[in-house]
Amino acid sequence: GQQVMQIPQYQHVQEGEDFTTYCNSSTTLSNIQWYKQRPGGHPVFLIQLVKSGEVKKQKRLTFQFGEAKKNSSLHITATQTTDVGTYFCAGGDYKLSFGAGTTVTVRA
Amino acid sequence: DGGITQSPKYLFRKEGQNVTLSCEQNLNHDAMYWYRQDPGQGLRLIYYSQIVNDFQKGDIAEGYSVSREKKESFPLTVTSAQKNPTAFYLCASIDYAGANVLTFGAGSRLTVL
Repeated sequence: GQQVMQIPQYQHVQEGEDFTTYCNSSTTLSNIQWYKQRPGGHPVFLIQLVKSGEVKKQKRLTFQFGEAKKNSSLHITATQTTDVGTYFCAGGDYKLSFGAGTTVTVRA
Repeated sequence: DGGITQSPKYLFRKEGQNVTLSCEQNLNHDAMYWYRQDPGQGLRLIYYSQIVNDFQKGDIAEGYSVSREKKESFPLTVTSAQKNPTAFYLCASIDYAGANVLTFGAGSRLTVL
């Protein structure tokens, strides 16, 4: 079945630095979604990408969908303490498959 | 406010007991989902239901059961057959007429003593 892999599993970032988390699928995806889960909370939808090569921005967050629609990335610039949490990518239609997530911690 | 309500938030259970987790939504969403979350493993799909009186097994359905008698409600029963039930359980829903993205409840944390 469809598998979605995310790397890295953990990302320790100095406040103000940039980082990128990657998502790779074993199959072509119709769309990719990104969610953020704050510590002790539940996942909250961030964005959905549908088109090949699509790039979307949300303030300091840049999301990209690969040309082959099998990979995606989330790039965060100038990391802030509010960025702490676990970022999940998910792909598929009715049965969304989630990656294991990238847990981000920030050093002030 | 519209949303998904899960209860209880915390639940302790003895081995061999069944327990039912409640999930209610007032978003008028068509589909509802149950996910299990364990540290370092992301979210794994247990069951999902696209319409009332119908549901499908996800990737880890063994030891769980569900029902969908009403559009608003999708309870999950963790049976004694589930070998390792201690986990964080998340209910979610999707509006197929909308953006087709998941809205999650706050979750239920089950601990087996």
